[in-house]
Amino acid sequence: KAGVTQTPRYLIKTRGQQVTLSCSPISGHRSVSWYQQTPGQGLQFLFEYFSETQRNKGNFPGRFSGRQFSNSRSEMNVSTLELGDSALYLCASSSSSGGSDEQYFGPGTRLTVT
Amino acid sequence: AQSVSQHNHHVILSEAASLELGCNYSYGGTVNLFWYVQYPGQHLQLLLKYFSGDPLVKGIKGFEAEFIKSKFSFNLRKPSVQWSDTAEYFCAGRDYRDDKIIFGKGTRLHILP
Repeated sequence: KAGVTQTPRYLIKTRGQQVTLSCSPISGHRSVSWYQQTPGQGLQFLFEYFSETQRNKGNFPGRFSGRQFSNSRSEMNVSTLELGDSALYLCASSSSSGGSDEQYFGPGTRLTVT
Repeated sequence: AQSVSQHNHHVILSEAASLELGCNYSYGGTVNLFWYVQYPGQHLQLLLKYFSGDPLVKGIKGFEAEFIKSKFSFNLRKPSVQWSDTAEYFCAGRDYRDDKIIFGKGTRLHILP
């Protein structure tokens, strides 16, 4: 089985711009979760989608949004980028929702905001 | 709010030393607990997980963890580390009440050859 894939792998954006990141889960997995990873804060939960519905979300501002398509692929959007949004954004897929099973992580998208 | 705390941010050990990485969670009820590892240049991957049953859980590569409910702890152990264990280790917990997985801030482990 192919693993979780994320595109693009690297992005450089300017403050005020918006960005869309993409995640393709492992085939058959319907849950996709997004995390922000930074050196000081570790992994912080952004949101989880299951069967095209957002099941849960973390404590991030409304500039961070996401969606999931019928094929379980997910996108994450950040509008009005700030310098503090520079981070590694990780996507994880799972066969069940709510973290009740192992999550499989992708390689991440490294976002740099200048 | 629920939280997962990892006591050590950086740990440096020599090969063959014993390892124990601390993890505490703040949930009071039923929990699932995980340890994930991120080797340099690689994806996060699961080391081991605790859902129920035997509180001593064995994972890959000789790692184990013990769930001690009274201490709200889930410490990771390995009797003899190898240079290849150099990585960042994350403890994570899931609270059944809100179905979110919360990660600790990670512990960077550096093994000296």
